[in-house]
Amino acid sequence: ETGVTQTPRHLVMGMTNKKSLKCEQHLGHNAMYWYKQSAKKPLELMFVYSLEERVENNSVPSRFSPECPNSSHLFLHLHTLQPEDSALYLCASSQESRGSTEAFFGQGTRLTVV
Amino acid sequence: AQKVTQAQTEISVVEKEDVTLDCVYETRDTTYYLFWYKQPPSGELVFLIRRNSFDEQNEISGRYSWNFQKSTSSFNFTITASQVVDSAVYFCALSTGTGRRALTFGSGTRLQVQP
Repeated sequence: ETGVTQTPRHLVMGMTNKKSLKCEQHLGHNAMYWYKQSAKKPLELMFVYSLEERVENNSVPSRFSPECPNSSHLFLHLHTLQPEDSALYLCASSQESRGSTEAFFGQGTRLTVV
Repeated sequence: AQKVTQAQTEISVVEKEDVTLDCVYETRDTTYYLFWYKQPPSGELVFLIRRNSFDEQNEISGRYSWNFQKSTSSFNFTITASQVVDSAVYFCALSTGTGRRALTFGSGTRLQVQP
């Protein structure tokens, strides 16, 4: 199993659909993240979960709803998205410690909203 | 506030040339961490290196080397004798030591290595 796995790899959805992105990490880490990568902006942090609690929400619209049922799994529930939400959504995990440790990323879900 | 600037949007070199990717950062924290990641066409970000603010030693790993200079707030990345497989987007990132765990990324530099 690779370190961080994201499914699906590609997703096309209409603006009225509801879908979920899934992320699973096999590294024994205790923090997980959602990042958004769109064509015209740098990588943007969306959410941070530490020990299954959401500790950071970077002003993300409510049409994105994260869920972290345990330290190995992270979901991003999507509903009534807009075309400008089309982007690559990257999940990452890291091990919390007194210092900052490197994050390991999945391959991303390429989302297209039509 | 934190910021990472990668002024080079795209660089094209011919195989075997050396290439340096620039990274300039801003933070008010005295404890911080700097990272480089590589993003090949597959999309996954691959971790390359982490440096903390107290360690200004330069590092070499094979064909890769990193030059950290606090005086100029720079953390530059050099690839020696570039290869076609080095073609990717390279991101510099910053995190601070207290509380904020997540990374602030630069906008990335796309490196094209031509055969």
